[in-house]
Amino acid sequence: AQTVTQSQPEMSVQEAETVTLSCTYDTSESDYYLFWYKQPPSRQMILVIRQEAYKQQNATENRFSVNFQKAAKSFSLKISDSQLGDAAMYFCAYSSSTYSGGGADGLTFGKGTHLIIQP
Amino acid sequence: NAGVTQTPKFRILKIGQSMTLQCAQDMNHNYMYWYRQDPGMGLKLIYYSVGAGITDKGEVPNGYNVSRSTTEDFPLRLELAAPSQTSVYFCASSPRLAGGQGDTQYFGPGTRLTVL
Repeated sequence: AQTVTQSQPEMSVQEAETVTLSCTYDTSESDYYLFWYKQPPSRQMILVIRQEAYKQQNATENRFSVNFQKAAKSFSLKISDSQLGDAAMYFCAYSSSTYSGGGADGLTFGKGTHLIIQP
Repeated sequence: NAGVTQTPKFRILKIGQSMTLQCAQDMNHNYMYWYRQDPGMGLKLIYYSVGAGITDKGEVPNGYNVSRSTTEDFPLRLELAAPSQTSVYFCASSPRLAGGQGDTQYFGPGTRLTVL
């Protein structure tokens, strides 16, 4: 079974600065997907960014980028120019690949990192 | 599109009562999921469905039942509520197409359930 570990229960950053959230995972699969989801106080789960393991290029979405290190099984999220609206819980999640026929059994989540933005 | 909708938003149950959490999606997704989120934890999979008439257990299925009679709806049933089922419940759906964004899951707003 796969596991996802987020070792930072809480992080704090000044507005406009850059912060990096850490995520490591354990799997024996070679093809899979990794995700970062944001959960604001409204509880809604919002997809931030997605990475396919077979792609070496790190995914980016505007101010959000990842550092995907497949050999180290590491998947960190970098938020540049932090904004007050970025304050939320951030969850790292893993899914087996559709190409291999797996992953129908859902996402495996880490415990989350609470991100605080200091004005 | 409304996306994934869940009802109710909040509910308080007494021990031993039963209830059904409703989930519907209008994106014609084949795959649907139920997760629970306990305080300070990530989401854990309860049940999932790969299409109408097909369901399977996830990591924490005890105390719950599901059915999937249509593509759109995936209700979650609690038969005998227990305090350990106090949690926030999320429904999600995915088109599960190989490649592209097909594996991304789209979540409903959640239902906060308290069992006293």
